[in-house]
Amino acid sequence: KQEVTQIPAALSVPEGENLVLNCSFTDSAIYNLQWFRQDPGKGLTSLLLIQSSQREQTSGRLNASLDKSSGRSTLYIAASQPGDSATYLCAPGGGADGLTFGKGTHLIIQP
Amino acid sequence: SAVISQKPSRDICQRGTSLTIQCQVDSQVTMMFWYRQQPGQSLTLIATANQGSEATYESGFVIDKFPISRPNLTFSTLTVSNMSPEDSSIYLCSVYPSGAPYEQYFGPGTRLTVT
Repeated sequence: KQEVTQIPAALSVPEGENLVLNCSFTDSAIYNLQWFRQDPGKGLTSLLLIQSSQREQTSGRLNASLDKSSGRSTLYIAASQPGDSATYLCAPGGGADGLTFGKGTHLIIQP
Repeated sequence: SAVISQKPSRDICQRGTSLTIQCQVDSQVTMMFWYRQQPGQSLTLIATANQGSEATYESGFVIDKFPISRPNLTFSTLTVSNMSPEDSSIYLCSVYPSGAPYEQYFGPGTRLTVT
């Protein structure tokens, strides 16, 4: 059974800093991995999807890397802004299956 | 991508009653998923709903408690039956709007409080 761990559980930093959020998973036989953002009381917004054959994906100030063999992914946020405050969730996927989620990193960017 | 709506957005229900949550997608999709997010916890998959077949439930979830319907390729319902306070959660549906690479999109969720 896939288990997902996200570190740190919470993070509070002043705006402008570059951040790294970590995700590890126990079963490396994944098809892809998605990073999501969840705002309080809201649904999930897909940020990045990395296929198992890829090493990284970039979207704007976000960069996600994947080391499938070691069961690790990182989400890098450059030049953080107060609007980046949210919970970030990592979810490795088996393809056409449901996702397994970590507990997330609760991020606060101080103005 | 896909645009997904859920109804209701939130509800407060009495214990022992049932609530049906609707999920509508703006395009035809083969598979729909239902998740639960208990307070302070991450998302847990409840079941996978394919059109034209019985839903497949994850360990710890049973059809009598969480019956699911999937009448067509754009719609599904999840019923939370005989509710108790432990069922207070956010319930979310999700879809893959196309095949590979199987990027999953989520609805806004239904916040359920059972008193």
